[in-house]
Amino acid sequence: DTGVSQDPRHKITKRGQNVTFRCDPISEHNRLYWYRQTLGQGPEFLTYFQNEAQLEKSRLLSDRFSAERPKGSFSTLEIQRTEQGDSAMYLCASSIQNPLIEKLFFGSGTQLSVL
Amino acid sequence: QKEVEQDPGPLSVPEGAIVSLNCTYSNSAFQYFMWYRQYSRKGPELLMYTYSSGNKEDGRFTAQVDKSSKYISLFIRDSQPSDSATYLCAMSGGSNYQLIWGAGTKLIIKP
Repeated sequence: DTGVSQDPRHKITKRGQNVTFRCDPISEHNRLYWYRQTLGQGPEFLTYFQNEAQLEKSRLLSDRFSAERPKGSFSTLEIQRTEQGDSAMYLCASSIQNPLIEKLFFGSGTQLSVL
Repeated sequence: QKEVEQDPGPLSVPEGAIVSLNCTYSNSAFQYFMWYRQYSRKGPELLMYTYSSGNKEDGRFTAQVDKSSKYISLFIRDSQPSDSATYLCAMSGGSNYQLIWGAGTKLIIKP
């Protein structure tokens, strides 16, 4: 399978714990995005990378959230001191930079439940 | 008011019916319009995309953009139970180079 891979698929944690998610994009894609999605809503942009550079973070993103893409390949998203409001599906997407229209390819997501 | 409005449904139709899914938007700078399909517990997958106004057809799917009304549509002909999913519209343009998403419409095709 050469699609976007996310790990784990599900994560249950207690409030206050730290969690880390991993995303492996499609190998030739230079852009990588993190989104968050709650039930009945569209994806909410969190951050994105072009190669290893983090180019933008959502202004709404708490400083408890941090993402890395150290070698321009896989990426990790860490949430520190989790809160119940962090419960959501965390989606990763990758794409090839395109000045006109960018086609995002999504992984199956990591479903986070904070108890 | 959200920049992109989409009726959450659910929309339930019998197999074989023509389905019409719609989004309205407020930002006249949007130029790129996309439809994604999302099955339960999966990530969205790109179904169709269009630039500016007009129609685009791909098999049983037709995407339509009316910029004067700030209204986009996705039509599905000969709908199948496998089309049951949530359909999300997304758009970008002007200063919004990031995609702005609708909330998605849940579609149910009854056999």
